[in-house]
Amino acid sequence: GQNIDQPTEMTATEGAIVQINCTYQTSGFNGLFWYQQHAGEAPTFLSYNVLDGLEEKGRFSSFLSRSKGYSYLLLKELQMKDSASYLCSIMDSNYQLIWGAGTKLIIKP
Amino acid sequence: NAGVTQTPKFRVLKTGQSMTLLCAQDMNHEYMYWYRQDPGMGLRLIHYSVGEGTTAKGEVPDGYNVSRLKKQNFLLGLESAAPSQTSVYFCASKAGEESDTQYFGPGTRLTVL
Repeated sequence: GQNIDQPTEMTATEGAIVQINCTYQTSGFNGLFWYQQHAGEAPTFLSYNVLDGLEEKGRFSSFLSRSKGYSYLLLKELQMKDSASYLCSIMDSNYQLIWGAGTKLIIKP
Repeated sequence: NAGVTQTPKFRVLKTGQSMTLLCAQDMNHEYMYWYRQDPGMGLRLIHYSVGEGTTAKGEVPDGYNVSRLKKQNFLLGLESAAPSQTSVYFCASKAGEESDTQYFGPGTRLTVL
């Protein structure tokens, strides 16, 4: 079967660093996406990984290990506006996105 | 350039009523998708389209129908609404390449009483 696991909720402090993990088992793999979704809004694209390694984009970085079925999203210098849900999704062998339930990140002052 | 738009933003239906949700995109994208999002669950694909005049079933198609008569529009229909269809519905589109990013509309919050 297909399965994507993420923690349901995480709490971090403004200015700190947080790592959100995602593990997956899917039928085929054509890339992993991270999206951000603020409450009541649409998901917006953050990052895409198809090869192993770290992709850095400003304060956000995303890591992928295909052999371990594992990814993480690293957020540095946390700001209050980073309070949101972070969705991990896998593009399967049919090029469809399979979505995790999302991790709600709460930032405290 | 409005991106992906959805109408309506909110709707309340009674069980058995019908309605159509409209998604429009102005990016000339080939692929369009309808998802539903429920608390504690990931986005689930209802139906999708890989081009004008084509549609296909996703993970949870029962109770829904779709049409893609024009490239820029993707309609989602509920013929006889049920309380289980209470959800937030998102439309998304992408250019067409397999690895392309999906762009989402703002969502429609539907309640079926």
